[in-house]
Amino acid sequence: DIVMTQSPDSLAVSLGERATINCKSSQSVLHSSNTKNYLAWYQQKPGQPPKLLIYWASMRESGVPDRFSGSGSGTDFTLTITSLQAEDVAVYYCQQYYSTPITFGQGTRLEI
Amino acid sequence: QVQLVESGGGVVQPGRSLRLSCAASGFTFSSYGMHWVRQAPGKGLEWVAVIWYDGSNKYYADSVKGRFTISRDNSKNTLFLQMNSLRADDTAVYYCAGALGDMWFDPWGQGTLVAVSS
Repeated sequence: DIVMTQSPDSLAVSLGERATINCKSSQSVLHSSNTKNYLAWYQQKPGQPPKLLIYWASMRESGVPDRFSGSGSGTDFTLTITSLQAEDVAVYYCQQYYSTPITFGQGTRLEI
Repeated sequence: QVQLVESGGGVVQPGRSLRLSCAASGFTFSSYGMHWVRQAPGKGLEWVAVIWYDGSNKYYADSVKGRFTISRDNSKNTLFLQMNSLRADDTAVYYCAGALGDMWFDPWGQGTLVAVSS
């Protein structure tokens, strides 16, 4: 199984500042056949299901504000939120969909 | 609009069974692989099971293998999860989610709570 490890577990950032969340996989999620990283990021607010933010490690889902960006390749990935807004308070999860079982990071709680 | 609606959750005693349903609308259900993901109270996301778009393949997390069965009815745009021999550590909100091929999960349902308690 691919183990996904996020850091930090929690993060407090001031409004308007940058938040950076890291995700490391225990093995590469870069598929050699298409050179795509099988890595997604989700945002979950209390009482709500997860919401897709980023797929293929760096592709922003339609409707997601451009202050959210994803980067990285292979085993090391980053979700960056520039100019933090109050509505960004949530738990963020990375997920690998490279192989079954699908696995998620443990989550990073982002606070203001 | 695109929608997944889970139902069938509730309080059940250890060792008993429960069947969850997930009704899909607003997208081509028969083209999507469908997953169940659960979230224990205050905890993170745990993938449970997947069924391919045509029902030809199914895979399970080790924690539920042999106890849970995923199935689908494409004629009724509905996904199911039969849960047998339930244990206290199966207590969670269960989400259904769709994925096109081997891809990310979108859409997600709102979830249904399963509480296993005597």
